[in-house]
Amino acid sequence: EIVLTQSPGTLSLSPGDRATLSCRASQSVSSTYLAWFQQKPGQAPRLLIYAASSRATDVPDRFSGSESGTDFTLTISRLEPEDFAVYYCQQYGSSPYTFGQGTKLEIK
Amino acid sequence: EVQLVQSGAEVKKPGESLKISCKGSGYSFTNHWIGWVRQMPGKGLEWMGIIYPGDSDTRYSPSFQGQVTISADKSISTAYLQWNSLKPSDTAMYYCASLYNSRWGVWGQGTPVSVSS
Repeated sequence: EIVLTQSPGTLSLSPGDRATLSCRASQSVSSTYLAWFQQKPGQAPRLLIYAASSRATDVPDRFSGSESGTDFTLTISRLEPEDFAVYYCQQYGSSPYTFGQGTKLEIK
Repeated sequence: EVQLVQSGAEVKKPGESLKISCKGSGYSFTNHWIGWVRQMPGKGLEWMGIIYPGDSDTRYSPSFQGQVTISADKSISTAYLQWNSLKPSDTAMYYCASLYNSRWGVWGQGTPVSVSS
């Protein structure tokens, strides 16, 4: 099973700041099958990024994804108030599919 | 509109059985994998398993193998998640999602399940 380790666990930033969230895989993950989700309280997860760097429909361009080997990064270039939420990475290239444990992005 | 609509909240007692549903519309339900995800109170997301409605090919995550049954009825564009004997530790929110357009971008609204004596 591929383990995805997200860091940091909690990120405290202010609106207008740049956020960098990390997801490290325990073994090789095809970038085609790496996604990022945003979840707000009481809501279902929302797909932000798929194939490591492609933005999903209606996702603002301040969100971007990148990869370097087994390290994947979600960057939010300039935080808006609505961006404070929990973020999960997910791999679905190898069964069983797995999620990272999540990064909580909170207002400083 | 492509969407998944899940069945409503459930309150059950330990040992009872349960089957929750996830109905797709606005796309070819038969030809896209459906996944089930558990989220326990205050916790993260966990993949439970996936099913291809076209031929009912089903794959379970090891943690959930033998604990739940995933099925689908393609004739009514509906997937199911079933328990034979619920435990208090099954208390959680359960989401279904579709691998529509090769990405997990379509999610149901979630079904909360509470198991308590």
